[in-house]
Amino acid sequence: DAGITQSPRHKVTETGTPVTLRCHQTENHRYMYWYRQDPGHGLRLIHYSYGVKDTDKGEVSDGYSVSRSKTEDFLLTLESATSSQTSVYFCAISEGGSLYEQYFGPGTRLTVT
Amino acid sequence: GQNIDQPTEMTATEGAIVQINCTYQTSGFNGLFWYQQHAGEAPTFLSYNVLDGLEEKGRFSSFLSRSKGYSYLLLKELQMKDSASYLCGGSGSARQLTFGSGTQLTVLP
Repeated sequence: DAGITQSPRHKVTETGTPVTLRCHQTENHRYMYWYRQDPGHGLRLIHYSYGVKDTDKGEVSDGYSVSRSKTEDFLLTLESATSSQTSVYFCAISEGGSLYEQYFGPGTRLTVT
Repeated sequence: GQNIDQPTEMTATEGAIVQINCTYQTSGFNGLFWYQQHAGEAPTFLSYNVLDGLEEKGRFSSFLSRSKGYSYLLLKELQMKDSASYLCGGSGSARQLTFGSGTQLTVLP
């Protein structure tokens, strides 16, 4: 257990509304990641962070923004949700020296109607 | 992005050995990893290979051939709890992991 929680775990929202997902870790890891997982596409990286206020884009960053004002929290925001953003969102962390070995949170199932 | 190919589904019998193959573009990846994901749960790390050859870890082994862009995950003495999706993937020069779509393994009694 890497001490990662995500909130909310489930959310249904309407198209055009803003949505913020939270990832919280308790073990002071430097690197945090947001992925989405869709059938047929596997896990795709949205954004990642390598420290407080240090973030970078992943493969599918359009329509998403992130913020990391504290080491323990990494927020993912959908400024104006669309139906194509219906997905399961996973947060992950990794130790500084181990890119490949990431620990994932339990996931958030988001439905945009 | 990098193309990663793995079979969509596989079926095997309890107690048997199964090999899940993964192929990828030879340029750009510095290493290859495998994750296990049970239905409705988060992925969990299994192994990674940065050098050619076989890495053994208990009942699971992972093999990499960088020149051929080929990897496989070998599961021995299959158990019912091994029914899961197995994701292979790699990382290039950036701090980003690229995952395949996963192979759904069903273990039958």
